[in-house]
Amino acid sequence: AQSVTQLDSQVPVFEEAPVELRCNYSSSVSVYLFWYVQYPNQGLQLLLKYLSGSTLVKGINGFEAEFNKSQTSFHLRKPSVHISDTAEYFCAVSERSNYQLIWGAGTKLIIKP
Amino acid sequence: DTAVSQTPKYLVTQMGNDKSIKCEQNLGHDTMYWYKQDSKKFLKIMFSYNNKELIINETVPNRFSPKSPDKAHLNLHINSLELGDSAVYFCASSPSTSYGDLFFGEGSRLTVL
Repeated sequence: AQSVTQLDSQVPVFEEAPVELRCNYSSSVSVYLFWYVQYPNQGLQLLLKYLSGSTLVKGINGFEAEFNKSQTSFHLRKPSVHISDTAEYFCAVSERSNYQLIWGAGTKLIIKP
Repeated sequence: DTAVSQTPKYLVTQMGNDKSIKCEQNLGHDTMYWYKQDSKKFLKIMFSYNNKELIINETVPNRFSPKSPDKAHLNLHINSLELGDSAVYFCASSPSTSYGDLFFGEGSRLTVL
């Protein structure tokens, strides 16, 4: 993957509202796709991944993401957010030829009470 | 038991000093990494080792030297610290067959005064 773009640096959303965090990538080859979450003052942990098969993948904590090959996107969604979802979310892509991860700049999810 | 553990968690030191950060993983993984996360949360890979062999060595100053005494440990030594070295340093590990599934430590926050 040449680059990963997370279109929003911050996304404020009210508690219990739905949220979508956007991720687009550029690559001329097939890729694997990941979302990681970083809670305040913690390390990153894997939220979900797409390797092959169904383009809709479900992850932990009620999150899901959809791979759209034609739009080279892998947007993350949750139907109803909670205050505990406050975190930085990172999209990452690896090319099937070398598995080296390319990271997006992160999106800060801010939950408003 | 913590899967990927780093010590120390916090480091405050003066410019020009030398410091080390240690990392250990008990997951049986073959591959370990050092990442740097700056104040804007941007993640940059620094080094990667597979079975004690250096496989990724990104463009970082040669003041940074990784050492892997065995596949469960990857330490980072930094000489002649500069203000710009202030960041959070993350250790991570993955199986060698990983497509991009990384397990991160909690991070070591380095502040250079």
